[in-house]
Amino acid sequence: GAVVSQHPSRVICKSGTSVKIECRSLDFQATTMFWYRQFPKQSLMLMATSNEGSKATYEQGVEKDKFLINHASLTLSTLTVTSAHPEDSSFYICSAPPPTEEGDNSPLHFGNGTRLTVT
Amino acid sequence: GQNIDQPTEMTATEGAIVQINCTYQTSGFNGLFWYQQHAGEAPTFLSYNVLDGLEEKGRFSSFLSRSKGYSYLLLKELQMKDSASYLCAFMTTDSWGKLQFGAGTQVVVTP
Repeated sequence: GAVVSQHPSRVICKSGTSVKIECRSLDFQATTMFWYRQFPKQSLMLMATSNEGSKATYEQGVEKDKFLINHASLTLSTLTVTSAHPEDSSFYICSAPPPTEEGDNSPLHFGNGTRLTVT
Repeated sequence: GQNIDQPTEMTATEGAIVQINCTYQTSGFNGLFWYQQHAGEAPTFLSYNVLDGLEEKGRFSSFLSRSKGYSYLLLKELQMKDSASYLCAFMTTDSWGKLQFGAGTQVVVTP
């Protein structure tokens, strides 16, 4: 079945630096990808919708200049956390709708997530 | 507006049955989903309901009542490995694949 690969799985960075997270759809094309953030013991919160070939759509309260999203191809979306601060430490997960011919009814395939720790 | 509610935590013994309730409010409803998530891992898809009624899949069943904005996930013959967070989520007609998640219900299975 369709697989979404996310890299890196863990990253530790210093405050003020930038971190890039990659999300790839393997064996299928994804014109849309979603980026979620999850703080400890909280639910997944949608940050933005990544659209291939156009600007991302950000949810209310998410700073687009801080969380840069690029969806330059049909199989790759990247999230860059710029000038990271300790409060950005979180679990970031990407997802993509699978090809319509898949029959398991899951609307999304998730990457394995990236644990970001900002020191 | 949109919102979704589910209990924070439930505890049950191995072999028992647990029912996790979820209530939601939204317009343009396009399906109710349940995911299982172990700590530090990505969610795993469990079920999808778009029409009223019960969907059974092995030890897990999910029910939906659209008129009541209500769903439940039923876990039967609980096993220790079922200890996890269970996320209720709905999708609207805005965009296929765009889900709004509840806060999750932490299920603790005890021996």
